[in-house]
Amino acid sequence: AQSVSQHNHHVILSEAASLELGCNYSYGGTVNLFWYVQYPGQHLQLLLKYFSGDPLVKGIKGFEAEFIKSKFSFNLRKPSVQWSDTAEYFCAVSVSSGSARQLTFGSGTQLTVLP
Amino acid sequence: KAGVTQTPRYLIKTRGQQVTLSCSPISGHRSVSWYQQTPGQGLQFLFEYFSETQRNKGNFPGRFSGRQFSNSRSEMNVSTLELGDSALYLCASSLEGLVQYFGPGTRLTVT
Repeated sequence: AQSVSQHNHHVILSEAASLELGCNYSYGGTVNLFWYVQYPGQHLQLLLKYFSGDPLVKGIKGFEAEFIKSKFSFNLRKPSVQWSDTAEYFCAVSVSSGSARQLTFGSGTQLTVLP
Repeated sequence: KAGVTQTPRYLIKTRGQQVTLSCSPISGHRSVSWYQQTPGQGLQFLFEYFSETQRNKGNFPGRFSGRQFSNSRSEMNVSTLELGDSALYLCASSLEGLVQYFGPGTRLTVT
């Protein structure tokens, strides 16, 4: 079974700082990778996804992520964070085999951006 | 398009009771998945339904069950509630199960 690790549980940054959140997965086959964000009081929203092709994917709100197959990683980045980016960020993976789909989530990273 | 809707949004039940939660997917989506979110265990997959058939099931006891109707709406049921079932239950809809869009969740409190 696949698993996902997010090593940073809580990250605190000042506005305009750069962000990188780590995500590593364990699965030997082909995977589909996602980042979701949960703003305070809101539902989970899809930030970006990777299925195949260019390993650098761009998402909404200026976020991007890079898939590095050799490192089993899919780190989330943003060059300059804003106070409104304060939220919990979840990395998730689903395997590309069969028709059944399930997302396996990491434990989440709480990002706090100080004004 | 309207997003995923879940009802009720909040629920308080007593140990031993049973509860039914409802999810209406995005129009045209045929896959509905359910997840449990708790502070201790995070987000865990419960099951997925596609065209009224359970296609995948997570590692939860048989007290957790679900079904999907012909209009793709889905319900999940938890019988004989335990304190540990207190959680946010999330429903996600998808065209084919790959890219999942989440609803606001139902906050279940078991007392």
